[in-house]
Amino acid sequence: DAGVTQSPTHLIKTRGQQVTLRCSPKSGHDTVSWYQQALGQGPQFIFQYYEEEERQRGNFPDRFSGHQFPNYSSELNVNALLLGDSALYLCASSLEGRDTQYFGPGTRLTVL
Amino acid sequence: GNSVTQMEGPVTLSEEAFLTINCTYTATGYPSLFWYVQYPGEGLQLLLKATKADDKGSNKGFEATYRKETTSFHLEKGSVQVSDSAVYFCALSDPLNAGNNRKLIWGLGTSLAVNP
Repeated sequence: DAGVTQSPTHLIKTRGQQVTLRCSPKSGHDTVSWYQQALGQGPQFIFQYYEEEERQRGNFPDRFSGHQFPNYSSELNVNALLLGDSALYLCASSLEGRDTQYFGPGTRLTVL
Repeated sequence: GNSVTQMEGPVTLSEEAFLTINCTYTATGYPSLFWYVQYPGEGLQLLLKATKADDKGSNKGFEATYRKETTSFHLEKGSVQVSDSAVYFCALSDPLNAGNNRKLIWGLGTSLAVNP
């Protein structure tokens, strides 16, 4: 049973660039959530997707956008990167109606 | 607003020592409570959970009891091992969100180092 997978593992970008991160949920899961974890901090909720629509959103600017595909996989896009966007980006999947979220290994984004 | 407060680390223990990591929460309604563990360079792994008052979650020798009267969910283990060295996060599912799949609200994490 494959768990949550994310790609790429690491990414280096410069300020002003755009980035796309990818996530495949755990088999059978239909809901994907994205979190940002700055160094030494707890994760912060970005948004959640279900049935290809953004269902919830945290306090992140519109530069952060996402998408969910019919196979439940998801992308996180960040435009106009800032130095402060450097963080570990975590994807979590869950089953509709269940509270428990399962996390992928994360993508480490460094903005120079 | 809803929040989670964890004891500050780092916590350093000798192998076989008893572990307690304190977690308290503020929430309206009835959240579910979770402990996640993050090993160096890795993502978050669910350690245990409890969904209602007086529930006890347990896994790999770790335990935590949902205490509504003290709004706490302290993590305990009777005898830690070097392999338990990691960062431990307490989290709650936001009860203000309508429906299920509520977002998680996190503590800052507590780093644990276990020496041989």
